[in-house]
Amino acid sequence: AQSVTQLDSQVPVFEEAPVELRCNYSSSVSVYLFWYVQYPNQGLQLLLKYLSGSTLVKGINGFEAEFNKSQTSFHLRKPSVHISDTAEYFCAVRPGGYNKLIFGAGTRLAVHP
Amino acid sequence: SQTIHQWPATLVQPVGSPLSLECTVEGTSNPNLYWYRQAAGRGLQLLFYSVGIGQISSEVPQNLSASRPQDRQFILSSKKLLLSDSGFYLCAWSVGSSETQYFGPGTRLLVL
Repeated sequence: AQSVTQLDSQVPVFEEAPVELRCNYSSSVSVYLFWYVQYPNQGLQLLLKYLSGSTLVKGINGFEAEFNKSQTSFHLRKPSVHISDTAEYFCAVRPGGYNKLIFGAGTRLAVHP
Repeated sequence: SQTIHQWPATLVQPVGSPLSLECTVEGTSNPNLYWYRQAAGRGLQLLFYSVGIGQISSEVPQNLSASRPQDRQFILSSKKLLLSDSGFYLCAWSVGSSETQYFGPGTRLLVL
Protein backbone atom coordinates (compact mmCIF):
# COMPACT_ATOMS: atom_id res chain seq x y z
CA ALA A 1 0.00 0.00 0.00
CA GLN A 2 1.11 3.53 -0.68
CA SER A 3 1.44 6.18 2.01
CA VAL A 4 2.78 9.70 2.45
CA THR A 5 4.38 11.06 5.60
CA GLN A 6 4.91 14.73 6.21
CA LEU A 7 7.35 14.77 9.07
CA ASP A 8 6.46 18.16 10.51
CA SER A 9 2.91 19.20 11.32
CA GLN A 10 3.98 22.80 11.93
CA VAL A 11 7.01 24.80 10.84
CA PRO A 12 7.52 28.31 12.26
CA VAL A 13 10.08 30.46 10.47
CA PHE A 14 11.08 34.10 10.29
CA GLU A 15 10.56 36.14 7.17
CA GLU A 16 13.42 35.93 4.65
CA ALA A 17 14.76 32.74 6.24
CA PRO A 18 15.06 29.53 4.23
CA VAL A 19 12.60 26.71 4.80
CA GLU A 20 12.37 23.00 4.06
CA LEU A 21 9.15 21.01 4.38
CA ARG A 22 9.79 17.30 4.48
CA CYS A 23 7.87 14.58 2.68
CA ASN A 24 8.54 10.85 2.55
CA TYR A 25 6.50 8.26 0.73
CA SER A 26 6.26 4.52 0.46
CA SER A 27 5.15 2.71 -2.66
CA SER A 28 5.76 -0.59 -4.36
CA VAL A 29 5.29 1.00 -7.79
CA SER A 30 6.62 4.11 -9.46
CA VAL A 31 4.89 7.32 -8.44
CA TYR A 32 4.26 10.85 -9.53
CA LEU A 33 4.82 13.43 -6.81
CA PHE A 34 3.08 16.71 -6.05
CA TRP A 35 3.10 19.61 -3.64
CA TYR A 36 -0.06 21.64 -3.13
CA VAL A 37 -0.61 24.79 -1.07
CA GLN A 38 -3.82 25.70 0.72
CA TYR A 39 -4.47 29.23 1.94
CA PRO A 40 -7.10 29.65 4.68
CA ASN A 41 -10.61 28.69 3.61
CA GLN A 42 -9.54 28.01 0.05
CA GLY A 43 -9.03 25.02 -2.18
CA LEU A 44 -5.67 23.49 -3.04
CA GLN A 45 -3.34 25.11 -5.56
CA LEU A 46 -0.68 23.12 -7.35
CA LEU A 47 2.82 24.30 -6.43
CA LEU A 48 4.91 21.85 -8.42
CA LYS A 49 5.07 18.26 -9.61
CA TYR A 50 7.58 15.60 -10.48
CA LEU A 51 6.62 13.26 -13.29
CA SER A 52 9.99 12.23 -14.76
CA GLY A 53 13.33 13.67 -15.85
CA SER A 54 15.31 16.09 -13.73
CA THR A 55 14.94 15.35 -10.04
CA LEU A 56 15.00 19.05 -9.14
CA VAL A 57 11.64 20.59 -9.88
CA LYS A 58 10.87 24.30 -9.78
CA GLY A 59 7.40 25.54 -9.05
CA ILE A 60 5.48 28.72 -8.50
CA ASN A 61 6.20 31.37 -5.86
CA GLY A 62 9.93 30.51 -5.75
CA PHE A 63 9.46 26.99 -4.37
CA GLU A 64 11.41 23.96 -5.54
CA ALA A 65 11.54 20.30 -4.59
CA GLU A 66 13.96 17.47 -5.11
CA PHE A 67 12.99 13.89 -5.78
CA ASN A 68 15.27 11.40 -4.08
CA LYS A 69 14.37 7.90 -5.15
CA SER A 70 16.78 6.09 -2.84
CA GLN A 71 15.43 7.92 0.19
CA THR A 72 11.85 7.99 -1.14
CA SER A 73 11.64 11.68 -0.35
CA PHE A 74 10.32 14.79 -2.06
CA HIS A 75 11.21 17.71 0.21
CA LEU A 76 9.98 21.21 -0.58
CA ARG A 77 12.33 24.18 -0.21
CA LYS A 78 12.36 27.92 -0.53
CA PRO A 79 15.52 30.00 0.02
CA SER A 80 13.73 33.04 1.44
CA VAL A 81 10.12 33.01 2.65
CA HIS A 82 7.61 35.83 2.80
CA ILE A 83 4.73 36.49 5.14
CA SER A 84 2.42 35.60 2.26
CA ASP A 85 3.80 32.03 2.21
CA THR A 86 1.94 31.32 5.45
CA ALA A 87 -0.35 28.43 4.51
CA GLU A 88 -0.82 24.68 4.73
CA TYR A 89 1.30 22.58 2.40
CA PHE A 90 0.36 19.10 1.26
CA CYS A 91 2.57 16.48 -0.32
CA ALA A 92 0.81 13.91 -2.50
CA VAL A 93 1.71 10.88 -4.56
CA ARG A 94 -0.08 9.29 -7.47
CA PRO A 95 0.91 5.68 -8.06
CA GLY A 96 1.58 5.01 -11.71
CA GLY A 97 -1.48 3.61 -13.45
CA TYR A 98 -3.91 4.90 -10.84
CA ASN A 99 -6.21 7.92 -10.89
CA LYS A 100 -5.94 8.49 -7.17
CA LEU A 101 -3.87 10.95 -5.18
CA ILE A 102 -2.67 9.97 -1.73
CA PHE A 103 -2.09 12.93 0.53
CA GLY A 104 0.06 13.53 3.55
CA ALA A 105 -1.48 15.10 6.65
CA GLY A 106 -0.12 18.52 5.76
CA THR A 107 2.45 20.94 7.18
CA ARG A 108 1.39 24.32 8.46
CA LEU A 109 4.02 26.92 7.57
CA ALA A 110 3.86 30.03 9.74
CA VAL A 111 6.09 32.91 8.63
CA HIS A 112 6.74 35.54 11.30
CA PRO A 113 8.02 39.10 10.80
CA SER B 1 -9.24 27.82 -19.76
CA GLN B 2 -10.73 25.37 -17.33
CA THR B 3 -12.51 26.41 -14.17
CA ILE B 4 -14.16 24.48 -11.39
CA HIS B 5 -17.00 25.70 -9.22
CA GLN B 6 -18.39 24.42 -5.96
CA TRP B 7 -21.67 25.38 -4.40
CA PRO B 8 -22.44 26.38 -1.71
CA ALA B 9 -19.29 27.83 -0.18
CA THR B 10 -20.47 27.23 3.37
CA LEU B 11 -23.33 25.27 4.85
CA VAL B 12 -24.67 24.71 8.35
CA GLN B 13 -27.06 21.80 8.66
CA PRO B 14 -28.74 19.99 11.56
CA VAL B 15 -28.03 16.34 12.27
CA GLY B 16 -30.38 14.11 10.31
CA SER B 17 -31.01 16.58 7.50
CA PRO B 18 -30.21 15.81 3.83
CA LEU B 19 -27.21 17.16 1.94
CA SER B 20 -26.46 18.08 -1.64
CA LEU B 21 -23.16 19.65 -2.68
CA GLU B 22 -22.54 20.51 -6.30
CA CYS B 23 -19.37 20.66 -8.35
CA THR B 24 -19.21 21.79 -11.97
CA VAL B 25 -16.27 22.02 -14.35
CA GLU B 26 -16.04 24.32 -17.36
CA GLY B 27 -13.72 24.34 -20.33
CA THR B 28 -13.05 20.62 -20.66
CA SER B 29 -14.83 17.48 -21.76
CA ASN B 30 -15.07 14.08 -20.10
CA PRO B 31 -13.04 14.99 -17.04
CA ASN B 32 -12.26 12.61 -14.21
CA LEU B 33 -13.97 14.02 -11.12
CA TYR B 34 -13.17 13.54 -7.45
CA TRP B 35 -14.67 14.33 -4.05
CA TYR B 36 -12.34 14.71 -1.07
CA ARG B 37 -13.04 15.50 2.57
CA GLN B 38 -10.65 17.39 4.77
CA ALA B 39 -11.36 17.09 8.47
CA ALA B 40 -10.02 19.77 10.80
CA GLY B 41 -6.25 19.49 11.18
CA ARG B 42 -6.01 16.48 8.90
CA GLY B 43 -5.11 15.68 5.34
CA LEU B 44 -7.42 14.94 2.47
CA GLN B 45 -9.36 11.72 2.17
CA LEU B 46 -10.64 10.62 -1.21
CA LEU B 47 -14.36 9.83 -0.97
CA PHE B 48 -15.47 9.20 -4.56
CA TYR B 49 -14.17 9.44 -8.08
CA SER B 50 -15.80 9.21 -11.48
CA VAL B 51 -14.35 8.60 -14.92
CA GLY B 52 -17.63 9.21 -16.77
CA ILE B 53 -21.36 9.84 -16.54
CA GLY B 54 -22.99 7.40 -14.15
CA GLN B 55 -19.64 5.82 -13.22
CA ILE B 56 -18.89 6.27 -9.53
CA SER B 57 -16.25 4.57 -7.42
CA SER B 58 -16.47 4.77 -3.66
CA GLU B 59 -13.29 4.74 -1.67
CA VAL B 60 -14.61 4.45 1.87
CA PRO B 61 -17.88 3.16 3.32
CA GLN B 62 -19.79 6.05 4.79
CA ASN B 63 -22.96 8.01 5.07
CA LEU B 64 -22.43 9.80 1.76
CA SER B 65 -23.11 9.06 -1.90
CA ALA B 66 -22.12 10.66 -5.18
CA SER B 67 -23.73 11.02 -8.57
CA ARG B 68 -22.69 12.32 -11.97
CA PRO B 69 -25.81 13.27 -13.90
CA GLN B 70 -23.93 15.22 -16.55
CA ASP B 71 -20.43 15.10 -18.00
CA ARG B 72 -19.15 18.08 -16.02
CA GLN B 73 -21.33 17.87 -12.91
CA PHE B 74 -20.55 15.91 -9.78
CA ILE B 75 -22.88 15.86 -6.79
CA LEU B 76 -22.21 14.73 -3.22
CA SER B 77 -25.27 13.74 -1.22
CA SER B 78 -26.50 12.35 2.03
CA LYS B 79 -29.98 11.35 3.17
CA LYS B 80 -29.23 11.97 6.86
CA LEU B 81 -26.21 13.93 8.03
CA LEU B 82 -24.12 12.88 11.01
CA LEU B 83 -22.01 15.10 13.24
CA SER B 84 -18.94 13.34 11.84
CA ASP B 85 -19.81 14.56 8.34
CA SER B 86 -18.59 18.05 9.26
CA GLY B 87 -15.54 19.12 7.29
CA PHE B 88 -14.23 20.84 4.22
CA TYR B 89 -15.29 19.16 1.00
CA LEU B 90 -13.17 19.59 -2.08
CA CYS B 91 -13.96 18.66 -5.65
CA ALA B 92 -11.17 18.09 -8.15
CA TRP B 93 -10.80 17.25 -11.81
CA SER B 94 -8.23 15.78 -14.14
CA VAL B 95 -8.27 14.86 -17.81
CA GLY B 96 -7.58 11.47 -19.31
CA SER B 97 -4.31 10.01 -18.16
CA SER B 98 -3.05 13.40 -16.98
CA GLU B 99 -1.35 13.01 -13.66
CA THR B 100 -2.43 16.35 -12.24
CA GLN B 101 -5.62 17.07 -10.33
CA TYR B 102 -6.99 20.60 -10.03
CA PHE B 103 -9.10 21.58 -7.07
CA GLY B 104 -12.17 23.70 -6.56
CA PRO B 105 -12.59 26.33 -3.82
CA GLY B 106 -14.29 23.89 -1.45
CA THR B 107 -17.45 23.78 0.65
CA ARG B 108 -17.26 24.05 4.40
CA LEU B 109 -19.95 21.94 6.05
CA LEU B 110 -20.85 22.21 9.72
CA VAL B 111 -23.31 19.70 11.09
CA LEU B 112 -24.85 20.69 14.42
